[in-house]
Amino acid sequence: DAKTTQPTSMDCAEGRAANLPCNHSTISGNEYVYWYRQIHSQGPQYIIHGLKNNETNEMASLIITEDRKSSTLILPHATLRDTAVYYCIVPREDTGFQKLVFGTGTRLLVSP
Amino acid sequence: GAVVSQHPSWVICKSGTSVKIECRSLDFQATTMFWYRQFPKQSLMLMATSNEGSKATYEQGVEKDKFLINHASLTLSTLTVTSAHPEDSSFYICSASRYNQPQHFGDGTRLSIL
Repeated sequence: DAKTTQPTSMDCAEGRAANLPCNHSTISGNEYVYWYRQIHSQGPQYIIHGLKNNETNEMASLIITEDRKSSTLILPHATLRDTAVYYCIVPREDTGFQKLVFGTGTRLLVSP
Repeated sequence: GAVVSQHPSWVICKSGTSVKIECRSLDFQATTMFWYRQFPKQSLMLMATSNEGSKATYEQGVEKDKFLINHASLTLSTLTVTSAHPEDSSFYICSASRYNQPQHFGDGTRLSIL
């Protein structure tokens, strides 16, 4: 994958916005940015993905910088159930954009 | 939508036995299914990619004769761990996708080999 860099861990107060950054400076023009999360002892959950434009769905918003070298996942009102490891992944074009390579992600802890 | 079911959730078996894990896409036809393995405190590692009706493509270091993958239909893929040993104990997770849509994951199978 285009190498992604995320902080190891972040804390957020319940009800506040959680902003999770990701750097992907080697991303190529056709490669998407995907976000998944994994709650302890469960399979990963798809959150959102985008190419150039900012995206929003019922779970989160994805803000991609104009040069596409970084992005931010925003959980607008974090709840305790949002505590999880969040993965920013850029599947490579030469894999048909199929292969997801999971790094270490960001461990988000939402506290009361 | 995009529900992927994995069965069983957990299994304990004796060393030397074979274990089959099923992965089903419940509400969509998956053109591709993926199998991952996750050891404690580590991230998911892709084991193989499977397209319906064709042989699976295994990642480097994954023994295809030990981890048999069958993808007989657009909604079902199976992973069989043959002659399992304690070092095969892990969390096995499947995912499914339709063409270029995002992968959706099952809830995993925790395998313990005694």
